[in-house]
Amino acid sequence: AQSVTQLDSHVSVSEGTPVLLRCNYSSSYSPSLFWYVQHPNKGLQLLLKYTSAATLVKGINGFEAEFKKSETSFHLTKPSAHMSDAAEYFCVVSSTSGTYKYIFGTGTRLKVLA
Amino acid sequence: EAGVVQSPRYKIIEKKQPVAFWCNPISGHNTLYWYLQNLGQGPELLIRYENEEAVDDSQLPKDRFSAERLKGVDSTLKIQPAELGDSAVYLCASSSLAGGPGNEQFFGPGTRLTVL
Repeated sequence: AQSVTQLDSHVSVSEGTPVLLRCNYSSSYSPSLFWYVQHPNKGLQLLLKYTSAATLVKGINGFEAEFKKSETSFHLTKPSAHMSDAAEYFCVVSSTSGTYKYIFGTGTRLKVLA
Repeated sequence: EAGVVQSPRYKIIEKKQPVAFWCNPISGHNTLYWYLQNLGQGPELLIRYENEEAVDDSQLPKDRFSAERLKGVDSTLKIQPAELGDSAVYLCASSSLAGGPGNEQFFGPGTRLTVL
C-alpha cells in the first residue's frame, strides 16, 4: 500500500529566503509523486510531478523537487519565497497499479513573512 | 479552456436535510473524481467514474451518499440525510486518461458544506 507523510504542518519563511517543504513516501513499487498547491477558495493546482524520469523535477513558479529513492523522500524547494507563495501544499503519491489512486498527505501550510 | 466547474460554492443546511453538489469536468475528460476534504486534512477519494461507470466507490458511505454521472459528462453528488460530521469541502476533479501513474488530475474550487 502507498502512503505519504508531510513532516511539517506549518512552515514560516521570510520573503526572499529559501523554502523547503518535506515529504516522505511509502510504496511497494516505483511510485509517481506529485506536489499540488491550494490557495484559499481556489482549486488544487499541480506544481510538478515525478514519473520515473529525471529525479530532479522542475515545476511552475520556480519550485522544484528531488526524488530520492534511498531516503524515500520527495521534498519541495524554492530558492526565494514570494508573498504569493503563501498557501497549502500537498504531497501526493499515486498507486502504480490498478486504479492509480491519488493518496494525499495532510498538507503543509506555508506562511511568507514580509 | 474552462476548468472544472462546481456549484454551489457554499452551502449551509440543517442536519437531516438533503443536499446536492454539481460538477462539470473539463471538456473531453472521461474520468471524474469526487473527493472529501476535512479541515486540516488532505482530500480523500469518495468515488471515481470512467465515463458513466463508477469504477471505484469503495470509500463512498452508501447509506447516505449517492452519486451519478448519467451521460458521462457532468456529475451530481448527493447526501441524504446530512449529518453534522458531513461539514467539509467537496472537491471534484477530472482527468483525460482512464489511468496511468503519471496522470494529472484537474481540480475544481470545491463546495464548502456547513451542516448546522
